[in-house]
Amino acid sequence: SQELEQSPQSLIVQEGKNLTINCTSSKTLYGLYWYKQKYGEGLIFLMMLQKGGEEKSHEKITAKLDEKKQQSSLHITASQPSHAGIYLCGADRAAGNKLTFGGGTRVLVKP
Amino acid sequence: GAGVSQSPSNKVTEKGKDVELRCDPISGHTALYWYRQSLGQGLEFLIYFQGNSAPDKSGLPSDRFSAERTGGSVSTLTIQRTQQEDSAVYLCASSLRASGLNEQFFGPGTRLTVL
Repeated sequence: SQELEQSPQSLIVQEGKNLTINCTSSKTLYGLYWYKQKYGEGLIFLMMLQKGGEEKSHEKITAKLDEKKQQSSLHITASQPSHAGIYLCGADRAAGNKLTFGGGTRVLVKP
Repeated sequence: GAGVSQSPSNKVTEKGKDVELRCDPISGHTALYWYRQSLGQGLEFLIYFQGNSAPDKSGLPSDRFSAERTGGSVSTLTIQRTQQEDSAVYLCASSLRASGLNEQFFGPGTRLTVL
């Protein structure tokens, strides 16, 4: 969706390196979700952010929300081959109804 | 079951035929969502249910698409007179409720191919 822009569209990193994915919304956010998808599979929930300045971490993945800029970033530290996949950000604009998704970022981790 | 299940996992049909896609949400989840994922359009919202009601059908692409939910549980997405542009992966998700911020749990999807 053009309402939600993700960058970069694809990323190749060497195993052990860090990476960052950005998600920028052109409209007001109520909540911002990060999902991961492997080819041919459904979406796996990573994190949900609501408040401006909120930051959440799980294992080696950290997500932040900049409410002023309507932007979120997903950062992976010391990437591993298991981090490969498509990362999608989804915007909730109406408190629990439909999600609008970005175009996705395809991540490949080279061993 | 433990997660959202969808059936069939793959469906190949001929142009003009009707298809039905099924979604079994997580037990106790009152909200159910249908999305479509295609190469050209990415992941798009189709319709959501709160209980058996569908407050938002705005994402359904045409009147050939319809969905229903019975007993606050299973949902069926029906596509009539399928067209080649309907080919996509249809994803279903459920959440505890459709108000506030609740994680949406996704099923594995149904890959529809219209020949």
